[in-house]
Parts: sequence; C-alpha cells; structure tokens
Amino acid sequence: KAGVTQTPRYLIKTRGQQVTLSCSPISGHRSVSWYQQTPGQGLQFLFEYFSETQRNKGNFPGRFSGRQFSNSRSEMNVSTLELGDSALYLCASTLRARNTQYFGPGTRLTVL
Amino acid sequence: SQQGEEDPQALSIQEGENATMNCSYKTSINNLQWYRQNSGRGLVHLILIRSNEREKHSGRLRVTLDTSKKSSSLLITASRAADTASYFCATELQTGANNLFFGTGTRLTVIP
Repeated sequence: KAGVTQTPRYLIKTRGQQVTLSCSPISGHRSVSWYQQTPGQGLQFLFEYFSETQRNKGNFPGRFSGRQFSNSRSEMNVSTLELGDSALYLCASTLRARNTQYFGPGTRLTVL
Repeated sequence: SQQGEEDPQALSIQEGENATMNCSYKTSINNLQWYRQNSGRGLVHLILIRSNEREKHSGRLRVTLDTSKKSSSLLITASRAADTASYFCATELQTGANNLFFGTGTRLTVIP
C-alpha cells in the first residue's frame, strides 16, 4: 500500500497570504489528523477529520481550518499568514481509533 | 503544555552501544507510541504499547511502560549510525479523542 502523501512538500508565502495544504491518507484509512511542528512548540495537534467531519480540534486560532472529502483526502487552510506559522505541517492517517497513526513526509511552510 | 517530556534531550553514543530514552507523561493514557524523525522529515512509527501492556519488543527495540509512574522507556540495542535521528514518544489519552500528544524528543547521535 502507498503511504500517506502530502503536497506540496515545500511552500514559501508572504505575510497576509493564505495557503492550502493537501494530504492523501493510506487507502482505506478514514481518519486524518494534522499536526504542526516548530522548534519552539514542538509537535502540536491541529485537528482530526473522520468521514468528512471534524471530530477533534486543537488549540489553534480560527485562521487554521480544514476539511475532508468523500475519498478521505484532506486539506488544511491557513488564512492571513503570520511569520509564526512557519513550520513543518504533518498529516497522519489511521484505520480506526486506538491504533497506529501513520505520518506523511510533511509540508515545509516558510512565511516571509 | 505538552503531554510528555523526554529525557535526555540529546544522547551521543558509539556504534554498537545501547541507547535508552525515557518519556514521562501527565494523565491517564490509552496507548503510547514511539516515533523516529530524520532531519525534519516525516515521522516513522516504531512501536505502540497499550496501557495494559508492560513491555514490547520489535527487532532491536524494547519498550517498557509503567502506568503507575506514568513513564515509558525506549531501548535501542546494538545501535547503528543509521539510528541517528530524533525520537519522540506520543500518548493517546483515555478521553476518547483520537489525537496524539507528543513529547519534546530526544536527539540521538550514533558515532560510527
């Protein structure tokens, strides 16, 4: 089976712009979670989607949003980018709760 | 604050030696997972141990879990240069939410 894929791998934006990141889970996995990794805050949970519904949300401002499509692919959007949004954004998929989460390679976002 | 703290923050050993990393967490968990990350890339899942398990093995990896002390350890035996990476523990809480809380990570360097 193919692993979790994320596009694009690298992205450079300027402050005030918005960005959309994409994640395709492992075939058959219906849960997709997003995480942000920064040197200062480490790995932090953003949100989780299951069957096109947001099931769980971390402590991030409303500028961070996401959605999931019927084929389980997920997108996350960050509006009005700030310098502090520069990070590695990781998505993970899992077959069901209480099981291993498999991570994609991440999208490196740089905000100038 | 993050759920887990890892100790040590950095570890440098010679090839062939064993490496031990420790993780402490704060609240009751459903399971604990260990991940490896190479140079800011995606997370690779190593092993999952459930709250009712005390020890688990996978190849050169040995994980222990002590729920009374809220701590876990990861032992890598006969280390190799290719084991050089950052290692993270991640906990899934008993709240029912399917998201992981990550520790601060241990940076392991294996010297050939």
